[in-house]
Amino acid sequence: AQSVSQHNHHVILSEAASLELGCNYSYGGTVNLFWYVQYPGQHLQLLLKYFSGDPLVKGIKGFEAEFIKSKFSFNLRKPSVQWSDTAEYFCAVLYNQGGKLIFGQGTELSVKP
Amino acid sequence: EAQVTQNPRYLITVTGKKLTVTCSQNMNHEYMSWYRQDPGLGLRQIYYSMNVEVTDKGDVPEGYKVSRKEKRNFPLILESPSPNQTSLYFCASSAILGTTNTEAFFGQGTRLTVV
Repeated sequence: AQSVSQHNHHVILSEAASLELGCNYSYGGTVNLFWYVQYPGQHLQLLLKYFSGDPLVKGIKGFEAEFIKSKFSFNLRKPSVQWSDTAEYFCAVLYNQGGKLIFGQGTELSVKP
Repeated sequence: EAQVTQNPRYLITVTGKKLTVTCSQNMNHEYMSWYRQDPGLGLRQIYYSMNVEVTDKGDVPEGYKVSRKEKRNFPLILESPSPNQTSLYFCASSAILGTTNTEAFFGQGTRLTVV
């Protein structure tokens, strides 16, 4: 079955710390990969996406993610987090065969000032 | 402005009383989808639609119905709501899947409480 797994449910960091959130997905043919962010009380917003080409993609607000095909992973990184990055982060995988866009469970990030 | 509009934003209803949550997008997207968001479970897909008159079940379709009679609208119907359908619901739309334009745009969400 197609599935997406995020390793961390809740991450607590101090400002300026580096961030890495893990995301793995099950094999299902050609995929497109996304990271979304949800600030408290708001809807989901796209941080970045990968379709093809350079496996290191850069998104908004200093976020980047690396696609490692052999590991079925798409981890999100940021060198130095800010208090305003406090939010919930969702990894999503679009399985082109079948057309399902599947989300991970989400990782809640709390950044302490 | 490109947007996905859901209504209502908040709804409290009683068990068994049929309700419809509307979703409309103005981007001429082919793909539309409904998700429910529950703590610790992320977003789970209820139904999706690849185009007009084409719908398919997601991971948690039980207790829900959808229709896609027009490209812009994708209503979610709860024929007989139950308390376990209390949740936060999101509608999403996207251009043709698998192209570089593929990106899911989300509505503001509908918080449903069934008592």
